[in-house]
Amino acid sequence: NAGVTQTPKFQVLKTGQSMTLQCAQDMNHNSMYWYRQDPGMGLRLIYYSASEGTTDKGEVPNGYNVSRLNKREFSLRLESAAPSQTSVYFCATRMTTNTEAFFGQGTRLTVV
Amino acid sequence: AQSVTQLDSHVSVSEGTPVLLRCNYSSSYSPSLFWYVQHPNKGLQLLLKYTSAATLVKGINGFEAEFKKSETSFHLTKPSAHMSDAAEYFCVVSDSGNTGKLIFGQGTTLQVKP
Repeated sequence: NAGVTQTPKFQVLKTGQSMTLQCAQDMNHNSMYWYRQDPGMGLRLIYYSASEGTTDKGEVPNGYNVSRLNKREFSLRLESAAPSQTSVYFCATRMTTNTEAFFGQGTRLTVV
Repeated sequence: AQSVTQLDSHVSVSEGTPVLLRCNYSSSYSPSLFWYVQHPNKGLQLLLKYTSAATLVKGINGFEAEFKKSETSFHLTKPSAHMSDAAEYFCVVSDSGNTGKLIFGQGTTLQVKP
């Protein structure tokens, strides 16, 4: 019973490189989210998917794209990484809008 | 639009003394509220949640929180701090619409001194 699985756990990129962060859940949840965590700023929503086939921008979407591949998987893509995207990224899932969210273990991304 | 303010960025207590982490929220609707804890270099774990049932909510590890609509507050308390409680704590409000977005406060770092 894995819950919410993020890959990779760590990544170092050079400025301008691209990469995709993967998130998979086995909880049969409808909604999936991508957050970034920076010191003193809490977690800020990048993109979310309220249900399979839909995606919407969150608070800080610039520089990112997402794909809700199916109900289980929600990926986050950085097309041209910038140092400002150095952060810890968390994927989360929820069953409904008044239930708790479950989080992955995070991806620590450094852009040099 | 919903928002969350955690009134202290850092709280320091001695082991065995009470813990109070303060959270105020803004919401046009009856909100769902949560407290999460994050230990160093770890993911986020749910401590407790309020979803319009009892206003005093009990969570894991002896934590509890009281929903006060008149004060728009959802403060987290624990009668006696333990060294293992040292972590970062996040107060979170849920968007009342169909998106289910979770809006985080900036976090409070709890330090527990021996």
